Amino acid sequence: GENVEQHPSTLSVQEGDSAVIKCTYSDSASNYFPWYKQELGKRPQLIIDIRSNVGEKKDQRIAVTLNKTAKHFSLHITETQPEDSAVYFCAASGNFGNEKLTFGTGTRLTIIP
Amino acid sequence: NAGVTQTPKFRVLKTGQSMTLLCAQDMNHEYMYWYRQDPGMGLRLIHYSVGEGTTAKGEVPDGYNVSRLKKQNFLLGLESAAPSQTSVYFCASSEPPGLVRIYEQYFGPGTRLTVT
Repeated sequence: GENVEQHPSTLSVQEGDSAVIKCTYSDSASNYFPWYKQELGKRPQLIIDIRSNVGEKKDQRIAVTLNKTAKHFSLHITETQPEDSAVYFCAASGNFGNEKLTFGTGTRLTIIP
Repeated sequence: NAGVTQTPKFRVLKTGQSMTLLCAQDMNHEYMYWYRQDPGMGLRLIHYSVGEGTTAKGEVPDGYNVSRLKKQNFLLGLESAAPSQTSVYFCASSEPPGLVRIYEQYFGPGTRLTVT
């Protein structure tokens, strides 16, 4: 089955700086890569996703890049703000659809004011 | 729209007891999922359903059963609870994927279960 590794497990950055979280996956058939944000005690919520036919996607301060050859994808957050502090999870779907997501182990991002 | 709701929010069980977790969604989604979340291990898929009356095993199905008798509800059962099942359980739902778009999974608020 699919295996997703996520690094780092914790990340602290100064407010205004950029944060980068990286994930690798094992199944070359995976074609959908979402990122979820989970604030303390809350439910995970989708922040951005990318399909395998696209190399990069951007939404305001958040971007995701995908390298299918190397089987890795990354989340980039620019101009970080205190409200970006949360746990971020990457995931990969090994099927055509989204019925079986395999999640990474999460990155706890702390923004230092 | 309540979205995805879960009942109960918290529960403490003794080893060997049974219980059912209820997930309900009002978005008319075809797909529903049950995950467990443990510290340092992310979210792991227990069981999922691609439609009313159908269920399938996920990554960690042992010790759990599920039923999807109605499209809006997805039940997760623990027949004989074990301490290893202490976790936070999340339900999610989504539309099935299309040719152009893959639809996000919407999560419920979670159920914190402790087995002593």
